Amino acid sequence: EAGVTQFPSHSVIEKGQTVTLRCDPISGHDNLYWYRRVMGKEIKFLLHFVKESKQDESGMPNNRFLAERTGGTYSTLKVQPAELEDSGVYFCASSPRTSGRETQYFGPGTRLLVL
Amino acid sequence: KNQVEQSPQSLIILEGKNCTLQCNYTVSPFSNLRWYKQDTGRGPVSLTIMTFSENTKSNGRYTATLDADTKQSSLHITASQLSDSASYICVVSEASGTYKYIFGTGTRLKVLA
Repeated sequence: EAGVTQFPSHSVIEKGQTVTLRCDPISGHDNLYWYRRVMGKEIKFLLHFVKESKQDESGMPNNRFLAERTGGTYSTLKVQPAELEDSGVYFCASSPRTSGRETQYFGPGTRLLVL
Repeated sequence: KNQVEQSPQSLIILEGKNCTLQCNYTVSPFSNLRWYKQDTGRGPVSLTIMTFSENTKSNGRYTATLDADTKQSSLHITASQLSDSASYICVVSEASGTYKYIFGTGTRLKVLA
């Protein structure tokens, strides 16, 4: 069974440009999460989808970030326009159901560098 | 404020030695605590999960403990191997509707031959 995949693995863009990150969860997983780790800090929650609905987007830093999950399958996270402080590693995770004991399975991350 | 703190920040040990990593948390309401292993360039992989009523859980050479009263956890690695070199992240899940993960900053372990 394929794990969580993310594309691209790396992205280097200039300040003011737009970048779109993609996440393909494990097939059949209704829950999809986005996280971000900035240099030297802990991984932080951005938002949570259940199927195509945003369950919790309390971690989204500002309105330059837009996440979508059309059809409840893959998800995209768009940053527009990108700022220097958006640099970091963006992780996606998925789980079958929303419950306390469900393990979230993480993708390898997208390393974003904004110059 | 919900927080998860880990120590040490980094650790270097010789192959075959044991080590213990620490985690303190102030997450409420508490659902469970997990230890994840993250290899360089990879996403985190779950090692153990413990709920309020569980005070120890093993996964091969990894043994995690939880003291819910003092809000402390540890991860003990026995007979370390070179492949244990990684970051170990303590993650506490809130007992809220979405069971949000609160991450520690991790301990970076390096095992030397």
